[in-house]
Amino acid sequence: SQQGEEDPQALSIQEGENATMNCSYKTSINNLQWYRQNSGRGLVHLILIRSNEREKHSGRLRVTLDTSKKSSSLLITASRAADTASYFCATVASGQNFVFGPGTRLSVLP
Amino acid sequence: KAGVTQTPRYLIKTRGQQVTLSCSPISGHRSVSWYQQTPGQGLQFLFEYFSETQRNKGNFPGRFSGRQFSNSRSEMNVSTLELGDSALYLCASSRTPGTSGANTGELFFGEGSRLTVL
Repeated sequence: SQQGEEDPQALSIQEGENATMNCSYKTSINNLQWYRQNSGRGLVHLILIRSNEREKHSGRLRVTLDTSKKSSSLLITASRAADTASYFCATVASGQNFVFGPGTRLSVLP
Repeated sequence: KAGVTQTPRYLIKTRGQQVTLSCSPISGHRSVSWYQQTPGQGLQFLFEYFSETQRNKGNFPGRFSGRQFSNSRSEMNVSTLELGDSALYLCASSRTPGTSGANTGELFFGEGSRLTVL
């Protein structure tokens, strides 16, 4: 069964607004990673958060992890048109390979 | 540092044919994993190779196979192509295997090979 599930499936916002995407998973993990994919291209790693961390920042990105709820959120602040892409969470669990969620399609309108 | 290189970028095949896709990882990366991405199924893990050994395999039929060479370059092959094999095939490299637990780091993806089966 799918480990990571993102919501919403699609999100449309105006430039300058914040975008929040959520990821839920089912089993214990070692770390959780967020990736971005521009249409038809390869995925690009954004940020990694370990199971013993609760929050991490990288530029305009803020990731939180709640292991008790088995969920993570990705916040993109002050979004730009160039942030338009699909965003995937991927969970890493012991003995298992990466499992990617179905992704959130973000559209940032100028 | 050169990124992950996948060839070919685009290809069109007909049902019943076979196809070989190639992936050159980032220098120094010994792990190469392959994913199939389709609109309906999302990103699905195919297999992973580390130091020329297949470490893990996803839930795909035996028509999907792969290998890794001593220079860490990897190929995947799909035989007897079906319409449903049309997808973006992504290769990713990393320093450590994906099953390294707490030591598992990030994946570096190539741009993918877009396969269309007619």
